[in-house]
Amino acid sequence: DADVTQTPRNRITKTGKRIMLECSQTKGHDRMYWYRQDPGLGLRLIYYSFDVKDINKGEISDGYSVSRQAQAKFSLSLESAIPNQTALYFCATSDSGLYLVDEQFFGPGTRLTVL
Amino acid sequence: QKEVEQNSGPLSVPEGAIASLNCTYSDRVSQSFFWYRQYSGKSPELIMSIYSNGDKEDGRFTAQLNKASQYVSLLIRDSQPSDSATYLCAVNEYNFGNEKLTFGTGTRLTIIP
Repeated sequence: DADVTQTPRNRITKTGKRIMLECSQTKGHDRMYWYRQDPGLGLRLIYYSFDVKDINKGEISDGYSVSRQAQAKFSLSLESAIPNQTALYFCATSDSGLYLVDEQFFGPGTRLTVL
Repeated sequence: QKEVEQNSGPLSVPEGAIASLNCTYSDRVSQSFFWYRQYSGKSPELIMSIYSNGDKEDGRFTAQLNKASQYVSLLIRDSQPSDSATYLCAVNEYNFGNEKLTFGTGTRLTIIP
């Protein structure tokens, strides 16, 4: 079984709709992240969480919100989707180990299309 | 905004040759450096991490770090067609206790049989 899972894997929605992307992990990691990837722009951080009570904005948080329901679950919501939120979304996890920033493990991604 | 710069490529290398991928970063206090490989439409997977100046070797892969020059590179020896992918450089960014990774835009590598 995959250590980091994302649902759904693909989603097509319409402008103005609310959508939630879910991420679950069985790695036992405290830290979880949401990124979006666009061609030519690389991976950009949306939100991150270092534990259940800790939520932090990344570089492109406008238009997004998150919920850390448990150590293993971190959800990303688009309250009112717009076409420029069409992208590939990745969830990632990392341990709070020896180094302040440890390696990150990525889920399989969710391809979101907003029409 | 701290930056991580990579040549976007594409970089074409004959099979069996050495592929050299480069990355520069702007945050002088960065301590953790990672190379990820990403196949088209797939998620990034970690192939190397390096924390100290010098070289670190793992199989056909060697990461090189020079903190004075703010430069990290990845060498792939005996390149194989399966190495064709986009390679992402990632560097930690200090942010008042909320350290996180900043990714470069990636270098697309093509190994020519």
